[in-house]
Amino acid sequence: GAVVSQHPSRVICKSGTSVKIECRSLDFQATTMFWYRQFPKQSLMLMATSNEGSKATYEQGVEKDKFLINHASLTLSTLTVTSAHPEDSSFYICSARGAGEVGYEQYFGPGTRLTVT
Amino acid sequence: SQKIEQNSEALNIQEGKTATLTCNYTNYSPAYLQWYRQDPGRGPVFLLLIRENEKEKRKERLKVTFDTTLKQSLFHITASQPADSATYLCALAWNAGNMLTFGGGTRLMVKP
Repeated sequence: GAVVSQHPSRVICKSGTSVKIECRSLDFQATTMFWYRQFPKQSLMLMATSNEGSKATYEQGVEKDKFLINHASLTLSTLTVTSAHPEDSSFYICSARGAGEVGYEQYFGPGTRLTVT
Repeated sequence: SQKIEQNSEALNIQEGKTATLTCNYTNYSPAYLQWYRQDPGRGPVFLLLIRENEKEKRKERLKVTFDTTLKQSLFHITASQPADSATYLCALAWNAGNMLTFGGGTRLMVKP
């Protein structure tokens, strides 16, 4: 149980275009989903917290107009990188809270590797 | 601000030995602490959670300790295997509903 999927796993796009990444909780309902980015050999940096049916809360330094997050249902959240630039190339990972331990655990998706050319 | 420190140098051990990884934090203690495993190009996988009022948790070959006096958690893998080779992340939450903050991770290499 507690499986989170992401799609696509890899995407290459041209500079200036937009890319949408989907995050789904497959076997549980996730009232909260989180979006992280990870640069090579670095740890995960939280970008935003997304609650179903409400606006996402962005971390300091993350542009909300550039990284659009929609959490339309209890099983789906999307991250859209708008007008992507090469510096947006990174590994994007979502997570969803949580089936065990009174909802404290976060279950992570497999990640999406974004390359902007 | 809160800081989480994990040894950034890789830990190399021989198969069959016990691996011990350290997670230190500053300032006040978190409500709970979690350990994750991450393989290259993959998302983290949840391993264990320990609350601030717990001193030790075990799961199969894994053991986590939590010392709020030392502000430290230790993560042990007994009878280590080459398949245990990965990066291990600790993550802290400073209250029950709060987001996780991750340490930088420690890479473990288990040699046959």
